[in-house]
Amino acid sequence: QVQLVESGGGLVKPGGSLRLSCAASGFTFSDSYMSWIRQSPGKGLECVSYITPSGSAINYADSVRGRFTLSRDNAKNSLYLQMNSLRAEDTAVYYCVRGHSHIHYWGQGTLVTVSS
Amino acid sequence: EIVMTQSPATLSVSPGERATLSCRASQSVRSNLAWYQQKPGQAPRLLIYDASTRATGIPARFSGSGSGTEFTLTISSLQSEDFAVYSCQQYNNWPYTFGQGTKLEIK
Repeated sequence: QVQLVESGGGLVKPGGSLRLSCAASGFTFSDSYMSWIRQSPGKGLECVSYITPSGSAINYADSVRGRFTLSRDNAKNSLYLQMNSLRAEDTAVYYCVRGHSHIHYWGQGTLVTVSS
Repeated sequence: EIVMTQSPATLSVSPGERATLSCRASQSVRSNLAWYQQKPGQAPRLLIYDASTRATGIPARFSGSGSGTEFTLTISSLQSEDFAVYSCQQYNNWPYTFGQGTKLEIK
């Protein structure tokens, strides 16, 4: 069965950095679009970024463009989100998901808290 | 960015009754609309995509309709496990955007 397991969340000070990872299994990762979606109490669900199967194209929400970098390693069935210059408004549960439009498969989420 | 507006914010319905939830897009999203159910502490669960197609394993009491800017999720006879938060999402234009959710509570 499809499994998506996020890691790397935690508490970070404003201006700091974190790298989220997602380990995927149960499907052909290298054939799949992958995305990160976040959820915060204030803003609800927000699509952060997605990447094409080969990694040749990536799209970002305006709120994170220039600060976050999405990448993948198809040999390791893994997805990564490098988050720099973190702000309080980046505080959220970050979900790794398979796909980029309507989402059938979600990870359990990892909490990122940006606070001094 | 397309803004998705859901109504009502909270809906109180008795078990066995019908629930009707609405979602409006600020511009046309054609039929590129999904509905999700979310329970506390869980990730969202896909119910409906392409406005009216039920996802795998979703009971027939869930149905979706609409196109363009107006959409509806109907739950024909509420079961106890259906009380949750429901969100719509458009995936016609990036950034794909979600509504703020409708909380369906027991009356």
